[in-house]
Amino acid sequence: AQSVTQLGSHVSVSEGALVLLRCNYSSSVPPYLFWYVQYPNQGLQLLLKYTSAATLVKGINGFEAEFKKSETSFHLTKPSAHMSDAAEYFCAVSVPTSGTYKYIFGTGTRLKVLA
Amino acid sequence: KAGVTQTPRYLIKTRGQQVTLSCSPISGHRSVSWYQQTPGQGLQFLFEYFSETQRNKGNFPGRFSGRQFSNSRSEMNVSTLELGDSALYLCASSLDPPYYEQYFGPGTRLTVT
Repeated sequence: AQSVTQLGSHVSVSEGALVLLRCNYSSSVPPYLFWYVQYPNQGLQLLLKYTSAATLVKGINGFEAEFKKSETSFHLTKPSAHMSDAAEYFCAVSVPTSGTYKYIFGTGTRLKVLA
Repeated sequence: KAGVTQTPRYLIKTRGQQVTLSCSPISGHRSVSWYQQTPGQGLQFLFEYFSETQRNKGNFPGRFSGRQFSNSRSEMNVSTLELGDSALYLCASSLDPPYYEQYFGPGTRLTVT
């Protein structure tokens, strides 16, 4: 069965440090992958998406993610964390099911940025 | 282009009552999905509608139902509310999957007392 695993429900980094949020997926076919961010009391906002055009995907707010098929991973990174990056981050995969597609979300990683 | 709107934003109901939540997707989006978000269970998929037809369904009891209108607006209904139904209900719209991202509304915060 297809699934998404996010390692670490909580991650803390210092301001200016590298942000690395991990996502591994399980899919029997090439997936479409997404990262979303959720700020308090808001819906989810798309950060970036992978649709097989390029393995390194750049998104908004300085985030990027690299698709590694051999590792079935799609980790999210940002070179230098800002206080405003504190939020919850969700990895998602769009997979075929019953003649259509559905999104499967990971359990989320809450990022805390320390001053 | 206007984003996804959800009404109401906040709702307080009593156990046993029923509730209807509304979602207006982005213009041109025919796929509308609903999710339940709770601290303990995370983001759980409820169902997806496309062109007025339910196309996907998650593992929720029959008390949870939905529908989509010809203008793509969608409603979800929860009957016989339980305390455990307290959650943030998120609606998302998209162009037809698989590679189109979903756009989320701000959610409806439902509290059941």
